[in-house]
Amino acid sequence: KQEVTQIPAALSVPEGENLVLNCSFTDSAIYNLQWFRQDPGKGLTSLLLIQSSQREQTSGRLNASLDKSSGRSTLYIAASQPGDSATYLCAVRTFQGGSEKLVFGKGTKLTVNP
Amino acid sequence: NAGVTQTPKFQVLKTGQSMTLQCAQDMNHEYMSWYRQDPGMGLRLIHYSVGAGITDQGEVPNGYNVSRSTTEDFPLRLLSAAPSQTSVYFCASSLTPRWVRTEAFFGQGTRLTVV
Repeated sequence: KQEVTQIPAALSVPEGENLVLNCSFTDSAIYNLQWFRQDPGKGLTSLLLIQSSQREQTSGRLNASLDKSSGRSTLYIAASQPGDSATYLCAVRTFQGGSEKLVFGKGTKLTVNP
Repeated sequence: NAGVTQTPKFQVLKTGQSMTLQCAQDMNHEYMSWYRQDPGMGLRLIHYSVGAGITDQGEVPNGYNVSRSTTEDFPLRLLSAAPSQTSVYFCASSLTPRWVRTEAFFGQGTRLTVV
């Protein structure tokens, strides 16, 4: 059974710092990996999608990498801002129990202090 | 672009009541799913559908029922609400085929309290 782990569970950094969020998964047979952002009391906003054949994706100050063989992904946030404060979730799309499913980690709660 | 729309946003139920959470998408996505999000548990899959007329159980299906009569709509029914069903519920949709970009899109959630 696919399991997704995100470390750390919470992270607090000063504004301007570059930071890395980690995501690991137990089964390398994935179709893709998606990073989401969730603000308190809100839904999930898709940040980046990496297909299984890709190594990385970039969007603005965000860069996500994927090493499928080792079961790891990282989300790099450059020059962090207070507006980046949110919970970041990673999810892998995998074939499990006879169908495709998204399996989520429990998230990393990021606080960027002014 | 409406994307994925969930109604209601908030709901309070008494134990034993039934209700339906609505989910609609306008992206012609085959795959739709329902998750619940609880503190410390993350997002857990309740039910999913790979197309109209096809549904299946996820990780935590007990106490919930779904149907998929159209591509656009995927309602979630609580048969007899229990306090353990107090949670935030999210609906998601995506394309199914594995060889295309299967990015998942989420609704804004329904916050349900059962008293």
